[in-house]
Amino acid sequence: EAQVTQNPRYLITVTGKKLTVTCSQNMNHEYMSWYRQDPGLGLRQIYYSMNVEVTDKGDVPEGYKVSRKEKRNFPLILESPSPNQTSLYFCASSPNGRNYGYTFGSGTRLTVV
Amino acid sequence: ILNVEQSPQSLHVQEGDSTNFTCSFPSSNFYALHWYRWETAKSPEALFVMTLNGDEKKKGRISATLNTKEGYSYLYIKGSQPEDSATYLCAFPYGNKLVFGAGTILRVKS
Repeated sequence: EAQVTQNPRYLITVTGKKLTVTCSQNMNHEYMSWYRQDPGLGLRQIYYSMNVEVTDKGDVPEGYKVSRKEKRNFPLILESPSPNQTSLYFCASSPNGRNYGYTFGSGTRLTVV
Repeated sequence: ILNVEQSPQSLHVQEGDSTNFTCSFPSSNFYALHWYRWETAKSPEALFVMTLNGDEKKKGRISATLNTKEGYSYLYIKGSQPEDSATYLCAFPYGNKLVFGAGTILRVKS
């Protein structure tokens, strides 16, 4: 089954404790992206990747890192999480990021206390 | 900052009503317009990607139209059912980013 797999689904952590949210797709898509969703603000793009070793900032990149060492994986790294990063996070992939629909992962609800 | 605007913000209709929502986007540098359906506790699912002015797409009772010259798209739902209750998002590719509108929340009462 074609899918984007995100883990974990839920995570509660403490301020400053590094964490990684994993994302993997099995569709051989070139383009992958991370979004966060906050009430009243809609989906905002954090980082995206056009291909292996090619990543770029979205609209809200502060406090996040990503890497794209393999085509299928695009982990989101929070080096020192803070409470304002409490949010619902989605990973998504697409053949080219423009004229094909995105496939979303199931989401990660992160709480930083 | 690119603005993708959706209206109305929310809509409550009765089962069997037909309804429509609007997405407004910049008419310059148009490449495509996406529509997604997002049910509570699930992840967004692509409905349509539209690329041509005058394009019309249909999926069951849901259809969409596109006017790239004036920068808007309409999503129509014919004979709404309770299972149509969801947030409907439109999104606009801008450079290498996909910018989402805030969505229209649809609630269908039986």
